[in-house]
Amino acid sequence: DAGITQSPRHKVTETGTPVTLRCHQTENHRYMYWYRQDPGHGLRLIHYSYGVKDTDKGEVSDGYSVSRSKTEDFLLTLESATSSQTSVYFCAISDSWPPIQETQYFGPGTRLLVL
Amino acid sequence: GESVGLHLPTLSVQEGDNSIINCAYSNSASDYFIWYKQESGKGPQFIIDIRSNMDKRQGQRVTVLLNKTVKHLSLQIAATQPGDSAVYFCADASGGGADGLTFGKGTHLIIQP
Repeated sequence: DAGITQSPRHKVTETGTPVTLRCHQTENHRYMYWYRQDPGHGLRLIHYSYGVKDTDKGEVSDGYSVSRSKTEDFLLTLESATSSQTSVYFCAISDSWPPIQETQYFGPGTRLLVL
Repeated sequence: GESVGLHLPTLSVQEGDNSIINCAYSNSASDYFIWYKQESGKGPQFIIDIRSNMDKRQGQRVTVLLNKTVKHLSLQIAATQPGDSAVYFCADASGGGADGLTFGKGTHLIIQP
């Protein structure tokens, strides 16, 4: 299996609390992405990174921030969680853009429930 | 606006039959598409791609067809097996920068024994 992990895998939190999700890769890939997946919406891009300290916003970035201080880690932070952020969050990595089959991988996902 | 969508949310097929999953897109400038398979509880898995300079591409038991005239692509799975049961997404990877993929909503493929 590709070296991409997400932590935690499941989290329940309360509205208004900060939450940080971690994506860790051992592939040394340049590009990292955070998506959220909701019923009826497929996957939507939150933020992405094209290198250490280089990040940019995706389609649904409001309420989220990211950081990438090392190649292997991409953190997604919900500064003040809301119920609308209840979702499944997927991290993805890629060695190129556009992605190719041999080097693009998705993590196993993090289920977040905001009460 | 731009969109990538699938025609049916659920497709049920008999084991051993061929499956065809459809996808329509709206951006005539889109030139690279990827099909993903997502099994329950897992992240999406890249299964096959196609660029606009091709009409057809074949992989192992899978074929993707691209009709640029009507902005439609399809994924064909031959001799469907129980392990093919999953949600299938088409995604537009034509973005100019490394700004991710535009996913369709997905089709759930159900295999009947």
